[in-house]
Amino acid sequence: EIVLTQSPVTLSLSPGDRATLSCRASQSVSDYLTWYQQRPGQAPRLLIYGASNRATGIPARFSGSGSGTDFTLTISSLEPEDFAVYYCQQRSNWPPELTFGGGTKVEIK
Amino acid sequence: QVQLQESGPGLVKPSETLSLTCAVSGSSISSGYHWGWIRQPPGKGLEWIGTVYHGGSTHHNPSLKSRVAISVDRSKNEFSLRLSSVTAADTAIYYCVSGTKAAIAAKDGFDIWGQGTVVTVSS
Repeated sequence: EIVLTQSPVTLSLSPGDRATLSCRASQSVSDYLTWYQQRPGQAPRLLIYGASNRATGIPARFSGSGSGTDFTLTISSLEPEDFAVYYCQQRSNWPPELTFGGGTKVEIK
Repeated sequence: QVQLQESGPGLVKPSETLSLTCAVSGSSISSGYHWGWIRQPPGKGLEWIGTVYHGGSTHHNPSLKSRVAISVDRSKNEFSLRLSSVTAADTAIYYCVSGTKAAIAAKDGFDIWGQGTVVTVSS
């Protein structure tokens, strides 16, 4: 099983700050890496797929990078609605098995 | 816009089978690339349960062993989850999900999520 480790667990920032979230895989996942945002009481929402592709309707302040084992989600300037929990998800090659990271909570400082 | 809606019992007794259905609206289920289920225990993170792919193959979380069955009913435009021999550890919010765009589905992402349904396992 491929394990995804997200860091930090909690990120305390102010609106307008830059947020950098990390997701590290225990072995290479190529670019099969997806990022989701989950606001309190809501279902998760797809942000980034294929490590660096923004989903439809996702603001340009969100960007993803990385390949192999190290991935980063960057929010260039935090808006009030961006304070939420972020999860990364990978798919192993074969058989296709999906795992999620433990999440990073971005909270208001 | 494709929408998903979960339905099923909110309370299941230990050792029984949890059965949920996900109704697809706004599009034919056949237009999607894959459909699946993800759950979230109270106050915890996300856990993948399983995925049915457009070609018909199904893959599920090995930690759930043979307790999981996911099926698609194209005539009803819905897909379903059955989880047998449930315990308190299966208490969670259950989300049905879908990858409806080729590029997203190719990377096994899910762009459409249901609102989630709470299932509690208790006698």
